[in-house]
Amino acid sequence: DAGVTQSPTHLIKTRGQQVTLRCSPKSGHDTVSWYQQALGQGPQFIFQYYEEEERQRGNFPDRFSGHQFPNYSSELNVNALLLGDSALYLCASSLAPTGSSYEQYFGPGTRLTVT
Amino acid sequence: AQSVTQLGSHVSVSEGALVLLRCNYSSSVPPYLFWYVQYPNQGLQLLLKYTSAATLVKGINGFEAEFKKSETSFHLTKPSAHMSDAAEYFCAVSKSGGSNYKLTFGKGTLLTVNP
Repeated sequence: DAGVTQSPTHLIKTRGQQVTLRCSPKSGHDTVSWYQQALGQGPQFIFQYYEEEERQRGNFPDRFSGHQFPNYSSELNVNALLLGDSALYLCASSLAPTGSSYEQYFGPGTRLTVT
Repeated sequence: AQSVTQLGSHVSVSEGALVLLRCNYSSSVPPYLFWYVQYPNQGLQLLLKYTSAATLVKGINGFEAEFKKSETSFHLTKPSAHMSDAAEYFCAVSKSGGSNYKLTFGKGTLLTVNP
C-alpha cells in the first residue's frame, strides 16, 4: 500500500519565478492538505482540497494556489517566489468527513530553496 | 481559534531515562489532539491521537499521552528513552469531528538522547 508521495524531493528556484509541487495521496484517500514548514518551525496549514475544490485556506497570500485532479492527486503552485518561501512543503492526505480515521498521513515533503 | 504551545524547544535525556515532552493547547471547541514525530529529512509520522475517547492514549514505540482538560494539556511521555527516539516532536490540535479539519502545530521540541 503506497503512502503519500511527493515530487520533486528538492527544488531550487530564483526570486520571482513560479513553482509547481505535486502530491499523490495514500490509496483510498480523497482529501489533500498542504502545509509549509519553515526551518525550525512547525508546519503551517496552507489549504485543503476535497472533490476538486479548495475547502479550507490558511493565512497565505493568493500567490499560493492549488488544484486537485479527479484521481485525488494535487498540485501546489506558488507564483512570484520570495526568499521567505524557502521551506519544506508537506502534503497530507485523509478521508472525507464521513471517514472514521481521524488522521492525516504526511508525505516526505518537497524542500524548496529560493535564491 | 486554536493554538498549541510546546514548552521547551530542546529536551535532552539519557538513554533509559523518562521522556516528558510538554504540550498545552488553546481551543474554543472540543479539540482533537495529536503528537507527530519527524526524523531528519523526513515527513511527519503520527505517534498517537486523542479523539474524545479515553483520556490516556497509547501510541507507537512505547509513547503515551494524557489529555487533561482542566490543565489544557496533552503531554507526551515514554518510560525509557532509546537512542532511536532522537527526533523532533510536534504537538497538533484540530477541531473535533473528522480528519478534514486543518491541523495547527506547535513549534516542535527536539529530543536528544545521550548514551
